[in-house]
Amino acid sequence: GAGVSQSPRYKVAKRGQDVALRCDPISGHVSLFWYQQALGQGPEFLTYFQNEAQLDKSGLPSDRFFAERPEGSVSTLKIQRTQQEDSAVYLCASSFPGLAGARSPETQYFGPGTRLLVL
Amino acid sequence: RKEVEQDPGPFNVPEGATVAFNCTYSNSASQSFFWYRQDCRKEPKLLMSVYSSGNEDGRFTAQLNRASQYISLLIRDSKLSDSATYLCVVRALTNAGKSTFGDGTTLTVKP
Repeated sequence: GAGVSQSPRYKVAKRGQDVALRCDPISGHVSLFWYQQALGQGPEFLTYFQNEAQLDKSGLPSDRFFAERPEGSVSTLKIQRTQQEDSAVYLCASSFPGLAGARSPETQYFGPGTRLLVL
Repeated sequence: RKEVEQDPGPFNVPEGATVAFNCTYSNSASQSFFWYRQDCRKEPKLLMSVYSSGNEDGRFTAQLNRASQYISLLIRDSKLSDSATYLCVVRALTNAGKSTFGDGTTLTVKP
C-alpha cells in the first residue's frame, strides 16, 4: 500500500520567503509527526497531531514555524520568513496508535522528506 | 548534553564481522526504545523495537538495560547491505507522542 508521501521533495527558497511543506500520511493513521533533520544529525521533533488536534508543538523552533492538519489527514508545515538556519530535511511520520498496554509500541513510518535549502 | 547519545563512528568493518553499537539515554521515564536504520539521503526505517528482555531478529540483537539507561545493537555476520546509519530512538510513552533520536552511528561494511 501507499506509504507516507511528502511534497515538494526539494525546495530552494530565498531568505525571507515563506514556504509550505505538505505531508500525506498513510491512510487511517491517526498520529502525524513532523521532524527536522540537519546534516549529520538525527531527526529533531517539531510537532505532533492526533487527528486534527495538535497535541505537542514544543519542538517548533520559533513562531515562524506553524503546522496544521485541519481535517485530520493531510498536514502542512509552514515556515515564514525563512532563514538560512532553516535549511534541513523536514520529515513527516505517521502512525496508528497501539492499544494501551500492548507489548509492541506503535511504529512511526516516515516519508521521504522535503529537502529545504534557504539561500 | 543530548537526551540520546550515540558514538557517531564511523565503524568500518569487513564483511562477516560482528559489530556492536551503544546508546545511552537520560530520561529515566522513557518507555519505548527502537533502532532505526537510515540510508544516505533516505528516510529512517524501523529496524527493530527493543524490549526489556532483549530480542533478536535474524543477525540483529538488541538489548536494553533500564538501570543503566543503555541500549545496544549487535550485528552478526555483517553484509555489505548493512552499511547505513543506525539511529537509537527513545520515546517517553509506548503508544503516543514524540520520539527522541540520537545522531546515529555510521557503519560501513567493506568487502
